[in-house]
Amino acid sequence: AQSVTQLDSHVSVSEGTPVLLRCNYSSSYSPSLFWYVQHPNKGLQLLLKYTSAATLVKGINGFEAEFKKSETSFHLTKPSAHMSDAAEYFCVVNRLSGKLIFGQGTTLQVKP
Amino acid sequence: EAGVAQSPRYKIIEKRQSVAFWCNPISGHATLYWYQQILGQGPKLLIQFQNNGVVDDSQLPKDRFSAERLKGVDSTLKIQPAKLEDSAVYLCASSFRDGYTFGSGTRLTVV
Repeated sequence: AQSVTQLDSHVSVSEGTPVLLRCNYSSSYSPSLFWYVQHPNKGLQLLLKYTSAATLVKGINGFEAEFKKSETSFHLTKPSAHMSDAAEYFCVVNRLSGKLIFGQGTTLQVKP
Repeated sequence: EAGVAQSPRYKIIEKRQSVAFWCNPISGHATLYWYQQILGQGPKLLIQFQNNGVVDDSQLPKDRFSAERLKGVDSTLKIQPAKLEDSAVYLCASSFRDGYTFGSGTRLTVV
Protein backbone atom coordinates (compact mmCIF):
# COMPACT_ATOMS: atom_id res chain seq x y z
CA ALA A 1 0.00 0.00 0.00
CA GLN A 2 1.10 3.54 -0.62
CA SER A 3 2.19 5.66 2.34
CA VAL A 4 4.41 8.57 3.26
CA THR A 5 6.48 9.22 6.36
CA GLN A 6 7.57 12.71 7.27
CA LEU A 7 10.66 12.25 9.34
CA ASP A 8 10.41 15.46 11.38
CA SER A 9 7.30 16.72 13.11
CA HIS A 10 8.90 20.10 13.78
CA VAL A 11 11.74 21.96 12.04
CA SER A 12 13.12 25.30 13.21
CA VAL A 13 15.42 27.45 11.08
CA SER A 14 16.66 31.01 11.11
CA GLU A 15 15.54 33.41 8.44
CA GLY A 16 17.92 33.30 5.48
CA THR A 17 19.18 29.78 6.18
CA PRO A 18 18.35 26.66 4.14
CA VAL A 19 15.23 24.58 4.71
CA LEU A 20 15.11 20.78 4.52
CA LEU A 21 11.87 18.91 5.16
CA ARG A 22 12.25 15.15 4.83
CA CYS A 23 9.79 12.68 3.36
CA ASN A 24 10.07 8.98 2.60
CA TYR A 25 7.44 7.16 0.61
CA SER A 26 6.33 3.61 0.12
CA SER A 27 4.69 2.55 -3.11
CA SER A 28 4.38 -0.59 -5.18
CA TYR A 29 4.50 1.45 -8.36
CA SER A 30 6.04 4.70 -9.53
CA PRO A 31 3.92 7.20 -7.64
CA SER A 32 2.92 10.80 -8.06
CA LEU A 33 4.20 12.79 -5.12
CA PHE A 34 3.21 16.21 -3.87
CA TRP A 35 4.13 18.78 -1.29
CA TYR A 36 1.35 20.94 0.11
CA VAL A 37 1.61 23.89 2.49
CA GLN A 38 -1.04 24.97 4.96
CA HIS A 39 -0.83 28.33 6.68
CA PRO A 40 -2.82 28.80 9.91
CA ASN A 41 -6.53 28.90 9.24
CA LYS A 42 -5.93 28.69 5.50
CA GLY A 43 -6.57 26.02 2.91
CA LEU A 44 -4.05 23.59 1.43
CA GLN A 45 -1.86 25.05 -1.28
CA LEU A 46 0.10 22.96 -3.75
CA LEU A 47 3.83 23.71 -3.66
CA LEU A 48 4.97 21.21 -6.26
CA LYS A 49 4.33 17.78 -7.70
CA TYR A 50 6.33 14.95 -9.21
CA THR A 51 4.73 12.86 -11.93
CA SER A 52 7.61 10.76 -13.33
CA ALA A 53 9.12 13.46 -15.49
CA ALA A 54 12.24 15.30 -14.21
CA THR A 55 13.39 14.04 -10.82
CA LEU A 56 14.17 17.57 -9.62
CA VAL A 57 10.91 19.41 -9.33
CA LYS A 58 10.70 23.18 -8.91
CA GLY A 59 7.71 24.65 -7.15
CA ILE A 60 6.39 27.96 -6.04
CA ASN A 61 8.08 30.40 -3.65
CA GLY A 62 11.57 29.01 -4.31
CA PHE A 63 10.86 25.49 -3.07
CA GLU A 64 12.07 22.40 -4.85
CA ALA A 65 12.11 18.66 -4.23
CA GLU A 66 14.13 15.78 -5.60
CA PHE A 67 12.65 12.36 -6.27
CA LYS A 68 15.18 9.65 -5.36
CA LYS A 69 13.85 6.22 -6.21
CA SER A 70 16.85 4.39 -4.72
CA GLU A 71 16.25 6.09 -1.38
CA THR A 72 12.42 6.25 -1.71
CA SER A 73 12.67 9.88 -0.69
CA PHE A 74 11.12 13.15 -1.80
CA HIS A 75 12.69 15.81 0.41
CA LEU A 76 11.62 19.44 0.16
CA THR A 77 14.27 22.16 0.16
CA LYS A 78 14.62 25.90 -0.09
CA PRO A 79 17.95 27.74 -0.16
CA SER A 80 16.89 30.63 2.06
CA ALA A 81 13.96 30.65 4.49
CA HIS A 82 11.63 33.60 4.74
CA MET A 83 9.41 34.47 7.68
CA SER A 84 6.36 33.88 5.49
CA ASP A 85 7.42 30.23 5.01
CA ALA A 86 6.36 29.41 8.57
CA ALA A 87 3.53 26.92 8.13
CA GLU A 88 2.58 23.24 8.14
CA TYR A 89 3.95 21.17 5.26
CA PHE A 90 2.51 17.89 4.03
CA CYS A 91 4.13 15.27 1.85
CA VAL A 92 1.49 13.42 -0.16
CA VAL A 93 1.39 10.33 -2.38
CA ASN A 94 -1.51 9.36 -4.58
CA ARG A 95 -2.99 5.97 -5.20
CA LEU A 96 -3.98 4.77 -8.63
CA SER A 97 -7.59 5.52 -7.71
CA GLY A 98 -6.69 9.17 -7.22
CA LYS A 99 -6.93 9.03 -3.45
CA LEU A 100 -4.30 11.20 -1.76
CA ILE A 101 -2.42 9.81 1.24
CA PHE A 102 -1.07 12.57 3.50
CA GLY A 103 1.88 12.42 5.84
CA GLN A 104 1.50 13.60 9.40
CA GLY A 105 2.89 17.00 8.58
CA THR A 106 5.99 19.02 9.49
CA THR A 107 5.68 22.34 11.26
CA LEU A 108 8.25 24.80 9.97
CA GLN A 109 9.23 27.56 12.36
CA VAL A 110 11.29 30.45 11.00
CA LYS A 111 13.13 32.55 13.56
CA PRO A 112 14.14 36.14 12.86
CA GLU B 1 -11.11 29.56 -12.62
CA ALA B 2 -13.28 29.52 -9.54
CA GLY B 3 -12.03 27.38 -6.68
CA VAL B 4 -13.74 24.70 -4.62
CA ALA B 5 -16.45 26.35 -2.54
CA GLN B 6 -17.38 25.08 0.91
CA SER B 7 -19.88 26.23 3.47
CA PRO B 8 -20.28 26.97 6.25
CA ARG B 9 -16.80 28.17 7.18
CA TYR B 10 -17.27 27.42 10.87
CA LYS B 11 -19.81 25.42 12.85
CA ILE B 12 -20.23 24.80 16.57
CA ILE B 13 -22.73 22.18 17.70
CA GLU B 14 -23.45 20.15 20.78
CA LYS B 15 -22.75 16.44 20.84
CA ARG B 16 -25.58 14.27 19.54
CA GLN B 17 -26.77 17.07 17.24
CA SER B 18 -26.61 16.76 13.49
CA VAL B 19 -24.68 18.92 11.02
CA ALA B 20 -24.28 19.15 7.26
CA PHE B 21 -21.51 20.56 5.10
CA TRP B 22 -21.76 21.59 1.47
CA CYS B 23 -19.20 21.53 -1.31
CA ASN B 24 -19.27 22.86 -4.85
CA PRO B 25 -16.32 21.54 -6.86
CA ILE B 26 -14.57 23.09 -9.83
CA SER B 27 -16.68 22.85 -12.95
CA GLY B 28 -15.74 19.80 -14.99
CA HIS B 29 -13.98 17.98 -12.18
CA ALA B 30 -15.52 14.53 -12.09
CA THR B 31 -13.82 13.36 -8.91
CA LEU B 32 -14.74 14.80 -5.53
CA TYR B 33 -13.25 13.98 -2.14
CA TRP B 34 -14.12 14.68 1.49
CA TYR B 35 -11.22 14.69 3.93
CA GLN B 36 -11.21 14.99 7.71
CA GLN B 37 -8.30 16.84 9.29
CA ILE B 38 -8.04 16.51 13.05
CA LEU B 39 -5.86 19.11 14.75
CA GLY B 40 -2.19 18.22 14.47
CA GLN B 41 -2.71 15.51 11.85
CA GLY B 42 -2.71 15.20 8.09
CA PRO B 43 -6.02 15.03 6.25
CA LYS B 44 -7.60 11.58 5.96
CA LEU B 45 -9.96 10.57 3.19
CA LEU B 46 -13.54 9.96 4.23
CA ILE B 47 -15.14 9.38 0.85
CA GLN B 48 -14.32 9.68 -2.85
CA PHE B 49 -16.90 10.17 -5.61
CA GLN B 50 -16.46 9.70 -9.33
CA ASN B 51 -19.32 11.69 -10.85
CA ASN B 52 -22.21 10.67 -8.58
CA GLY B 53 -20.89 7.20 -7.75
CA VAL B 54 -18.88 6.26 -4.66
CA VAL B 55 -15.34 5.02 -5.40
CA ASP B 56 -14.02 4.68 -1.85
CA ASP B 57 -15.85 5.08 1.45
CA SER B 58 -13.85 2.55 3.42
CA GLN B 59 -12.85 5.12 6.07
CA LEU B 60 -16.28 6.69 6.45
CA PRO B 61 -17.94 5.92 9.82
CA LYS B 62 -21.19 4.88 8.21
CA ASP B 63 -23.10 4.62 11.46
CA ARG B 64 -23.03 8.41 11.78
CA PHE B 65 -21.58 9.88 8.58
CA SER B 66 -23.28 10.02 5.22
CA ALA B 67 -22.48 11.78 1.97
CA GLU B 68 -24.10 12.24 -1.38
CA ARG B 69 -23.30 13.84 -4.66
CA LEU B 70 -26.47 14.37 -6.59
CA LYS B 71 -26.17 14.93 -10.34
CA GLY B 72 -22.40 14.54 -10.08
CA VAL B 73 -21.78 18.15 -9.08
CA ASP B 74 -22.40 19.49 -5.55
CA SER B 75 -21.92 17.28 -2.54
CA THR B 76 -23.09 17.26 1.06
CA LEU B 77 -21.52 15.52 4.04
CA LYS B 78 -23.68 14.88 7.08
CA ILE B 79 -22.92 13.80 10.61
CA GLN B 80 -25.73 12.48 12.79
CA PRO B 81 -25.31 12.26 15.72
CA ALA B 82 -22.07 14.14 16.26
CA LYS B 83 -19.48 13.07 18.81
CA LEU B 84 -16.77 15.12 20.50
CA GLU B 85 -14.10 13.33 18.44
CA ASP B 86 -15.69 14.62 15.23
CA SER B 87 -14.22 18.05 15.96
CA ALA B 88 -12.01 18.68 12.95
CA VAL B 89 -11.70 20.58 9.69
CA TYR B 90 -13.63 18.97 6.87
CA LEU B 91 -11.99 19.56 3.52
CA CYS B 92 -13.55 19.09 0.14
CA ALA B 93 -11.37 18.62 -2.93
CA SER B 94 -11.96 17.98 -6.58
CA SER B 95 -9.63 16.68 -9.23
CA PHE B 96 -9.15 16.28 -12.94
CA ARG B 97 -6.34 13.93 -13.98
CA ASP B 98 -3.48 14.73 -11.59
CA GLY B 99 -4.64 18.20 -10.61
CA TYR B 100 -6.25 18.52 -7.19
CA THR B 101 -7.87 21.63 -5.73
CA PHE B 102 -8.87 21.92 -2.09
CA GLY B 103 -11.52 24.13 -0.58
CA SER B 104 -10.85 26.21 2.52
CA GLY B 105 -12.69 23.72 4.69
CA THR B 106 -15.35 23.77 7.38
CA ARG B 107 -14.07 23.89 10.94
CA LEU B 108 -16.43 21.85 13.14
CA THR B 109 -16.34 22.11 16.91
CA VAL B 110 -18.46 19.65 18.88
CA VAL B 111 -19.01 20.66 22.50
